[in-house]
Amino acid sequence: SQQGEEDPQALSIQEGENATMNCSYKTSINNLQWYRQNSGRGLVHLILIRSNEREKHSGRLRVTLDTSKKSSSLLITASRAADTASYFCAYAGGTSYGKLTFGQGTILTVHP
Amino acid sequence: DTEVTQTPKHLVMGMTNKKSLKCEQHMGHRAMYWYKQKAKKPPELMFVYSYEKLSINESVPSRFSPECPNSSLLNLHLHALQPEDSALYLCASSQDTGELFFGEGSRLTVL
Repeated sequence: SQQGEEDPQALSIQEGENATMNCSYKTSINNLQWYRQNSGRGLVHLILIRSNEREKHSGRLRVTLDTSKKSSSLLITASRAADTASYFCAYAGGTSYGKLTFGQGTILTVHP
Repeated sequence: DTEVTQTPKHLVMGMTNKKSLKCEQHMGHRAMYWYKQKAKKPPELMFVYSYEKLSINESVPSRFSPECPNSSLLNLHLHALQPEDSALYLCASSQDTGELFFGEGSRLTVL
């Protein structure tokens, strides 16, 4: 399967703590994206990092990409209860334009 | 308008019914997608339309029939579905940047 792997599968933390989620993939990629999904709702795009970038920031989010290890991480700093959701990485390979493959997802629970 | 609107939000149908899911976007995006998502699983790509033409069909059974009447609309026609087809069906659209904009989904239950 070309599907990405994410770890941990579930993460439970207290408000104010940082949350780190990891994603590994198997193919060459053009970009890697992170999405958030509240229970039973649609996915919301968080951040996109291109294959020639190593790190990107957006507000409390920090994404890194290591193409030599085929891995990415998403760091959420100073977490809030409202960050409770499932987080998915997704990536598109070189010739498969339009075909995003999603990782298995990490379920994040932030306790107030 | 940065929304993708899906209707209906919930749909219950029997295995002999014919129904349709609808999706609409007014962001001028030229690519539109159908994804299927089972509980606690990632979304799985079903179809991609690019410039109103079907560009990717991920070997989806013919009981699912997509249609793109124009650049803003995407339909998914359902016929003779099975109970295992019960899932959340997500529509998305994108421009060249690759970022997908998702609708809230249509939750389908097949009895």
